[in-house]
Amino acid sequence: DTAVSQTPKYLVTQMGNDKSIKCEQNLGHDTMYWYKQDSKKFLKIMFSYNNKELIINETVPNRFSPKSPDKAHLNLHINSLELGDSAVYFCASSQEWSIYNSPLHFGNGTRLTVT
Amino acid sequence: TQLLEQSPQFLSIQEGENLTVYCNSSSVFSSLQWYRQEPGEGPVLLVTVVTGGEVKKLKRLTFQFGDARKDSSLHITAAQPGDTGLYLCAGDRQGAQKLVFGQGTRLTINP
Repeated sequence: DTAVSQTPKYLVTQMGNDKSIKCEQNLGHDTMYWYKQDSKKFLKIMFSYNNKELIINETVPNRFSPKSPDKAHLNLHINSLELGDSAVYFCASSQEWSIYNSPLHFGNGTRLTVT
Repeated sequence: TQLLEQSPQFLSIQEGENLTVYCNSSSVFSSLQWYRQEPGEGPVLLVTVVTGGEVKKLKRLTFQFGDARKDSSLHITAAQPGDTGLYLCAGDRQGAQKLVFGQGTRLTINP
């Protein structure tokens, strides 16, 4: 009964490949996010969706394309992978669009390694 | 430059000691959240503070929001090895509709 689940847990691939990460939440939340955590553990928002609508696109290269087929799912597709894309990617959800007093529930992350 | 600066970035102390972690900014936040992250897992919310000067306690952890809502602190009393982890503060500026995170404090409590 995992609240926010993302797959795969680990992803090792070569430069230039295209890969996808899937995320699903069973909390009934309206808003979902993708965050990137670098090697120094700094968490930075990439995208947020509210009820399937893109709300935030935080100057992420257009090689990254999120897709939300319904409000319980938010997938991340990455084209032409580069070495610098290596990081841990976290999916998260929150009950409301307003961050105020609406905490994030994170998945356990996908560690992407580009070789 | 980081919007939220956490200090110290690394802290290693002995079991039973007290410690304080700081989260500072020049910006005003509507609310500030503290998360703890274990290796291989996502961050988990510990507490949210929303009112300037607010103090919240979670067992041996005490969280305070600065009067001007620009900073926060986390104080742990009698630290235990189970407190080991990465502690992250995160804030939302009014109208920004997104959480920004500090760079984290990696805490190690030695038995």
